[in-house]
Amino acid sequence: DIQMTQSPSTLSASVGDRVTITCRASQSISSLLAWYQQKPGKAPKLLIYKASNLESGVPSRFSGSGSGTQFTLTISSLQPDDFATYYCQQYNSYWGYTFGQGTKLEIK
Amino acid sequence: EVQLMESGGGLVQPGGSLRLACAASGFTFSNYGMSWVRQAPGKGLEWVSVISGSGGTTYYADSVKGRVTISRDNSKNTLYLQMNSLGVEDTAVYYCAKKKQEDVFDIWGQGTMVTVSS
Repeated sequence: DIQMTQSPSTLSASVGDRVTITCRASQSISSLLAWYQQKPGKAPKLLIYKASNLESGVPSRFSGSGSGTQFTLTISSLQPDDFATYYCQQYNSYWGYTFGQGTKLEIK
Repeated sequence: EVQLMESGGGLVQPGGSLRLACAASGFTFSNYGMSWVRQAPGKGLEWVSVISGSGGTTYYADSVKGRVTISRDNSKNTLYLQMNSLGVEDTAVYYCAKKKQEDVFDIWGQGTMVTVSS
């Protein structure tokens, strides 16, 4: 099984900050990584797929990078609506879609 | 508007069964793979199962294999999850999700809560 590890688990930041969340895979997944945003009581929302492709309608302040085992999600200038929990997900193995444990982005 | 709506959740005793449904609208249902993802209270996301557009191919997470069956009725635009031998560890919000061609989940339902408790 492929394990996904996100860091940090919690991140405190202010509006306007640039923040980066890291996701590491236990083995190479090429670029088959997605990022989701989830707000309390709501379903996840797809932000980025194939490591760096922005989903339609997602603001350009979100960006993703990486390949192999190391990936990052960057928010260039935090907005009030961005405070949420973020999950990475690998989809290299069709018989398993593994999520990271999540990173909660809090207001400092 | 593309929409997914789950139903069928509720309270069930350990060892019991439950069938979840997910009604799809706003897209050609049979063209897309569909999946179930769950989230235990206060925990992260856990993928449960996936089914191809035709229904001919299915995969399951090890944690549910042998106890859960995913299926779909393309004539009714509905996805199902039959869950048997439920344990307390199955308590979660269950989301259905539509798979994009890129194999990620672009549309999610609002979720249905399953509580396994005596």
